[in-house]
Amino acid sequence: AQSVTQPDIHITVSEGASLELRCNYSYGATPYLFWYVQSPGQGLQLLLKYFSGDTLVQGIKGFEAEFKRSQSSFNLRKPSVHWSDAAEYFCAVGSYSGAGSYQLTFGKGTKLSVIP
Amino acid sequence: DTAVSQTPKYLVTQMGNDKSIKCEQNLGHDTMYWYKQDSKKFLKIMFSYNNKELIINETVPNRFSPKSPDKAHLNLHINSLELGDSAVYFCASSQSVSYRNRRSSYEQYFGPGTRLTVT
Repeated sequence: AQSVTQPDIHITVSEGASLELRCNYSYGATPYLFWYVQSPGQGLQLLLKYFSGDTLVQGIKGFEAEFKRSQSSFNLRKPSVHWSDAAEYFCAVGSYSGAGSYQLTFGKGTKLSVIP
Repeated sequence: DTAVSQTPKYLVTQMGNDKSIKCEQNLGHDTMYWYKQDSKKFLKIMFSYNNKELIINETVPNRFSPKSPDKAHLNLHINSLELGDSAVYFCASSQSVSYRNRRSSYEQYFGPGTRLTVT
């Protein structure tokens, strides 16, 4: 069965500093990988996704992530964090579940706090 | 226009009651999902529903039942509510994926969530 591990429960960075959120996955085949962001009291917004091809993927809000098969990782990065980036970040792996659907298996999330 | 909407946003009810959460999507998708987010923010799939075919997560109690009047709606009915059902429930939708094209990029779009509190 697939699984996702986000080793960091809570990260605090200063505004303007760089950011890296870690994600490791376990999946038998080449994975679909996603990063979602959840602001307080809000739903989940897709930041970026990896399906195939270039292992460095660009997303919205200046985020990028790199797929490293050898390390089973899909870490999220941003060169300069803004105060509005404070939120909960979820890494997920998608797997086909039949009947035209696929399910997302999420990590437990990393809460990002930003110091002004 | 909101792509995936849910009502109500908040739901407070007593143990033993039966309640429903509604979900609607205007994206033209034909697959919809329900996820549960517990108090520790952990998200877990409950159901996938596509073309009248339901995929159920085996850990979901049979007190939970999704009902789809049409492709744009997937409502969640919960019978005999228990304290442990308190959570945030998210609806999502996507294009359907055939096993042959399963590597296509069909991401899921999430609704704003419904916070259910059982007292």
